[in-house]
Amino acid sequence: VMTQTPLSLSVTPGQPASISCKSSESLLNSDGKTYLYWYLQRPGQSPQLLIYDVYRRFSGVPDRFSGSGSGTDFTLQISRVEAEDVGVYFCMQSFRLKKFGQGTKVEIK
Amino acid sequence: QLQLSGPGLVRPSQTLSLTCAISGDSVSSNTAAWNWIRQSPSRGLEWLGRTYYRSKWYNDFAESVKSRISIKSDTSNNQFSLQLNSVTPDDTAVYYCARDVGAPYIALDYWGQGTLVTVSS
Repeated sequence: VMTQTPLSLSVTPGQPASISCKSSESLLNSDGKTYLYWYLQRPGQSPQLLIYDVYRRFSGVPDRFSGSGSGTDFTLQISRVEAEDVGVYFCMQSFRLKKFGQGTKVEIK
Repeated sequence: QLQLSGPGLVRPSQTLSLTCAISGDSVSSNTAAWNWIRQSPSRGLEWLGRTYYRSKWYNDFAESVKSRISIKSDTSNNQFSLQLNSVTPDDTAVYYCARDVGAPYIALDYWGQGTLVTVSS
């Protein structure tokens, strides 16, 4: 089970934001990698990959997005929120098939 | 690119069938896998299963749909399909197809546009 907190977040543009994702089991694989991902689903769009392997930014993702964590506890941080960051953020593990968190809705104040 | 197609309305107890056409990659790639995911208000994002080719075809399925799901590849048309049998209104969702890529492995790096399937009589 993947548990995200908070479920919603209202942020002033230019301010930071942080989303937590906790797994019910360690996501550290026997190959030494941790298969934890973050996706953003903008309104009316399909989810898009932001972060893979806990902290690696996917191609084209701005460096204001960063991921951290290990084992069972993970965090997505946005250093300075912009208007285009509005949407629902999901964490996902692919350690054991694939499971998503419930999502965190981010809106602009 | 992944282009989804299929009916938007399915009757209860019937079979839901969707196809995802691939461009820019190959369904029989030795470094990719091809997934089906759905999203509904009650279930959130739910991974359903995937197919991939590593000298032969393999499938993985979510436990929640394992008894009702089939995912097949069509190499002639470079596409893959989802069949979900004995559907109920609880299967109403937006369905997505998406790719895993290998070397290095990245799950669900690209998604299709999503299609709403409603199960109703």
